Amino acid sequence: ETGVTQSPTHLIKTRGQQVTLRCSSQSGHNTVSWYQQALGQGPQFIFQYYREEENGRGNFPPRFSGLQFPNYSSELNVNALELDDSALYLCASSRDSYEQYFGPGTRLTVT
Amino acid sequence: GNSVTQMEGPVTLSEEAFLTINCTYTATGYPSLFWYVQYPGEGLQLLLKATKADDKGSNKGFEATYRKETTSFHLEKGSVQVSDSAVYFCALRARNNAGNMLTFGGGTRLMVKP
Repeated sequence: ETGVTQSPTHLIKTRGQQVTLRCSSQSGHNTVSWYQQALGQGPQFIFQYYREEENGRGNFPPRFSGLQFPNYSSELNVNALELDDSALYLCASSRDSYEQYFGPGTRLTVT
Repeated sequence: GNSVTQMEGPVTLSEEAFLTINCTYTATGYPSLFWYVQYPGEGLQLLLKATKADDKGSNKGFEATYRKETTSFHLEKGSVQVSDSAVYFCALRARNNAGNMLTFGGGTRLMVKP
């Protein structure tokens, strides 16, 4: 059974640019959640997708957007990057509302 | 809103010492409670969970009991090992209008010395 994978592992972007992060969910899972983890802090919920529809959103601005594809993989897009967007971005997949399994994360640095 | 408060770290222990990491929560309704562990450079791994009051979650020698009366879910281990060094996160999941999101505490870093 393949676990949750994320790409890329690391990314460096300049303020104002746009970035796309990718997540492949675990086999059999239909729900993907994205979290932002700033250095030294706990993860913060960004949004969740269930069967290709956004199923909930945290306190993040609209420049954070996402997609879920028919194979349940997902993308997180961030426009107009700001320095405070530098963080570890974690993707978690689950089957319906059961336990969430996390990927290794993408480390984004905005300079 | 929902929130989780953990004791601040780092917690530094000698090998074979007893571990307690305190966690309290605020939530509407009856949340499920979790402990996750994060090793350096990695994502989060589910350590244990409890879904209703008085449930005890346990895994790899770690235990935590869901205490509704004190809104707590403290993590304990009788004898820590160097390999337990990591950051531990307490989290809750409550169904609300933001999906089945997890709300995390700030994390507690554990350092175990040989």
